[in-house]
Amino acid sequence: EVVMTQSPATLSVSPGERATLSCRASQTIQGALAWYQQKPGQAPRLLISAASNRATGIPARFSGSGSGTEFTLIINSLQPEDVAVYYCLQYGNWPPITFGQGTRVDIK
Amino acid sequence: EVQLLESGGAFVQAGGSLRLSCVSSGLIFSSYDMSWVRQAPGKGLEWVSSISASGDSTKYADSVEGRFSISRDNSRNTLFLQIKSLRAEDTAIYFCAKRDCPSPGCRFGAPLLDNWGQGTLVTVSS
Repeated sequence: EVVMTQSPATLSVSPGERATLSCRASQTIQGALAWYQQKPGQAPRLLISAASNRATGIPARFSGSGSGTEFTLIINSLQPEDVAVYYCLQYGNWPPITFGQGTRVDIK
Repeated sequence: EVQLLESGGAFVQAGGSLRLSCVSSGLIFSSYDMSWVRQAPGKGLEWVSSISASGDSTKYADSVEGRFSISRDNSRNTLFLQIKSLRAEDTAIYFCAKRDCPSPGCRFGAPLLDNWGQGTLVTVSS
């Protein structure tokens, strides 16, 4: 099983500043990495697939990068509506597909 | 617009059974692999099971193998999850989710989940 480790657990960022979230895989997953945003009481929403491809309708301030075992999600110019928990998902090696434990992004 | 609507969640005693349903609209349901993912209260996401577009192939997480059974009825655009021998640790919101790419172009495989339902809550009392 591929273990996904996200850091930090919580991130406090001022409005308009950049948030940088990390996700590390316990073995290589090539580029089969997705990022999701989950707000309280809602289902996860796909932000990024294949490590760097923004999903339809996702603002350009969200960007993803990385390959192999190290991946990054950057939220440029953080907006109040970006407050959420962010999860990474590896789908390169299954079963199972596995999620990271999440990073909570708050407004400072 | 793709819509997935789960139902069937309930408060049940440990050892009991449930059948969850997920009705889809806005897509050619029979073309897509489907999955269930759960989230325990205040916790992260855990993949539970996936089924191929035709229904002839399935995969399960080790934690549910032998107790959970995924199935689908393509004539009714509906996905199911039969849960038996419920345990306290099965308490969670259960989401159904669609794979991003359709068959036959995509063979049954590790799913990138692009559309999710709002979930249905299963609470198991010990």
